Amino acid sequence: GENVEQHPSTLSVQEGDSAVIKCTYSDSASNYFPWYKQELGKRPQLIIDIRSNVGEKKDQRIAVTLNKTAKHFSLHITETQPEDSAVYFCAASAGGTSYGKLTFGQGTILTVHP
Amino acid sequence: NAGVMQNPRHLVRRRGQEARLRCSPMKGHSHVYWYRQLPEEGLKFMVYLQKENIIDESGMPKERFSAEFPKEGPSILRIQQVVRGDSAAYFCASSPGVTSDEKLFFGSGTQLSVL
Repeated sequence: GENVEQHPSTLSVQEGDSAVIKCTYSDSASNYFPWYKQELGKRPQLIIDIRSNVGEKKDQRIAVTLNKTAKHFSLHITETQPEDSAVYFCAASAGGTSYGKLTFGQGTILTVHP
Repeated sequence: NAGVMQNPRHLVRRRGQEARLRCSPMKGHSHVYWYRQLPEEGLKFMVYLQKENIIDESGMPKERFSAEFPKEGPSILRIQQVVRGDSAAYFCASSPGVTSDEKLFFGSGTQLSVL
């Protein structure tokens, strides 16, 4: 089955800096890659996703890149703010009828210091 | 649209009791997924259901766990004879169906604590 590795496990940055979180996956059939933000005791919230037919997607301060050949994808947050502090999870699925069967990474605890 | 609704938010059970977790999908959604999250870990897929059908239960433990999504009413995740290791947050997510542009939105979860 699919295996998703996520790094780093913790990330500490100063307000205004950029943050980058990287994930690798093992199953070449995976073609859907969402990123979720989870605050303590809250639900995972979808912040951005990318499908295998594109290499990069951007939404304001958040961007995701995908390298299908190398089987890795990354989340980039620019101009970080204290409210960006949370746990971030990457995930992958094979799409189609299996698109909702996500395999999650282990999570990255992001702390943005004012 | 109220989003994916789960109840209860917190559930405390003693070892050996049964736990029943409920998930009402978003309006118009007929597909439900259950995930389990152990402390400081990512979510793990358990089961995928459509109305009255289990589509994929490859992540469900073989014993004590069952899930249903009846024609009427919420989806239910049932854990019989709970043990301490069942303590976790259980999240469900719903979607309208299977298309190339769908996204998965999660409910607020049920925190199960087994004493």
